[in-house]
Amino acid sequence: SQQGEEDPQALSIQEGENATMNCSYKTSINNLQWYRQNSGRGLVHLILIRSNEREKHSGRLRVTLDTSKKSSSLLITASRAADTASYFCATAVSGNTPLVFGKGTRLSVIA
Amino acid sequence: NAGVTQTPKFQVLKTGQSMTLQCAQDMNHNSMYWYRQDPGMGLRLIYYSASEGTTDKGEVPNGYNVSRLNKREFSLRLESAAPSQTSVYFCASSAGTGNWGNQPQHFGDGTRLSIL
Repeated sequence: SQQGEEDPQALSIQEGENATMNCSYKTSINNLQWYRQNSGRGLVHLILIRSNEREKHSGRLRVTLDTSKKSSSLLITASRAADTASYFCATAVSGNTPLVFGKGTRLSVIA
Repeated sequence: NAGVTQTPKFQVLKTGQSMTLQCAQDMNHNSMYWYRQDPGMGLRLIYYSASEGTTDKGEVPNGYNVSRLNKREFSLRLESAAPSQTSVYFCASSAGTGNWGNQPQHFGDGTRLSIL
């Protein structure tokens, strides 16, 4: 069963614009991770944010975590056509249980 | 380093046939996983191996078996394939022994399996 739910399911933007994707989850977590999947490829880990962190940056990526609302957001600034992919959040409930992935957001960046 | 390698990349089976999907990682990771990905369903965990010598069921284990052959290799077997098992299968691995469930996962590029 899915723990995280991404929103929106699909997003289409122009190159240079910012893209924001959201993830909501149901139970308390140890950490939340974001992954990218290009068409026909496996998932690639982007960023991990721990439950005691509120914001984290990596290059053009910014992730926030609000544990009181059980939600996270992934912001991609100055999008490029190469950012076109599906993005998944995954939650870790404890150290001894596997990650649970959401269904993903499909991002299309139009040049 | 190749990371996580899955073989084969594509396979077509007839209903009732059996086959084994192979996965190997060269990152000295302790934990390995098998997922299936279906349209609109995201990734669903089939089986996982938190460490060499252990395997556990995930969300959708029915119709599958696994073998953690050694630290590098984790195979997935379909004993009697059914059309409902048509999917893309991904293998992944993660480092660490303690708090293994919190670690980032590294994925292979998948096996596309069609069952007629």
